[in-house]
Amino acid sequence: DAGVTQSPTHLIKTRGQQVTLRCSPKSGHDTVSWYQQALGQGPQFIFQYYEEEERQRGNFPDRFSGHQFPNYSSELNVNALLLGDSALYLCASSFGPTTYEQYFGPGTRLTVT
Amino acid sequence: AQKVTQAQTEISVVEKEDVTLDCVYETRDTTYYLFWYKQPPSGELVFLIRRNSFDEQNEISGRYSWNFQKSTSSFNFTITASQVVDSAVYFCALSGQGGSEKLVFGKGMKLTVNP
Repeated sequence: DAGVTQSPTHLIKTRGQQVTLRCSPKSGHDTVSWYQQALGQGPQFIFQYYEEEERQRGNFPDRFSGHQFPNYSSELNVNALLLGDSALYLCASSFGPTTYEQYFGPGTRLTVT
Repeated sequence: AQKVTQAQTEISVVEKEDVTLDCVYETRDTTYYLFWYKQPPSGELVFLIRRNSFDEQNEISGRYSWNFQKSTSSFNFTITASQVVDSAVYFCALSGQGGSEKLVFGKGMKLTVNP
């Protein structure tokens, strides 16, 4: 039974570029949440996708957008990258839009230079 | 607004010592969940425990125990007889509205267990 998978593992981008991160939820899960974890900080909630719609959003600018596909996988897009976007991006999946039983993936380490 | 405070940022102990990680939370919700996660160097968050706001019973799981006190809004985590494998960053987190809202994390506490 595959857990939450994320790709790529690491990514280096230049300021101003755009990036797409991908997440496949754990088998049987239909909800994906994205978190940003800056170095030395706790994860911060970006948004959550359920039934292919954004259900909740944290305090992140519109440069951060996402998508959920019919197979429940999800993408996180960040436009006009800033140095401050350098972080570990974590994806979490659950059955339904709940934190009750949420499984996290290994994350994508994004470095913006 | 919801908030989780982990006042300790880093602790270093010698193997077999007991260590307690403090967590204080703020929420206006009457129903909420509290969590502890472990993050080893690999980066993946590993779920340790979930506790709902109506269940103040302390819990013990092997060398791990948790003390939930609503009166002081605290949810502390104790590792007994620490081991080198316990070295990681530990996060306390809160979810409001009975678990339907996002997780709000503390800043984490880095535990180093030396042999």
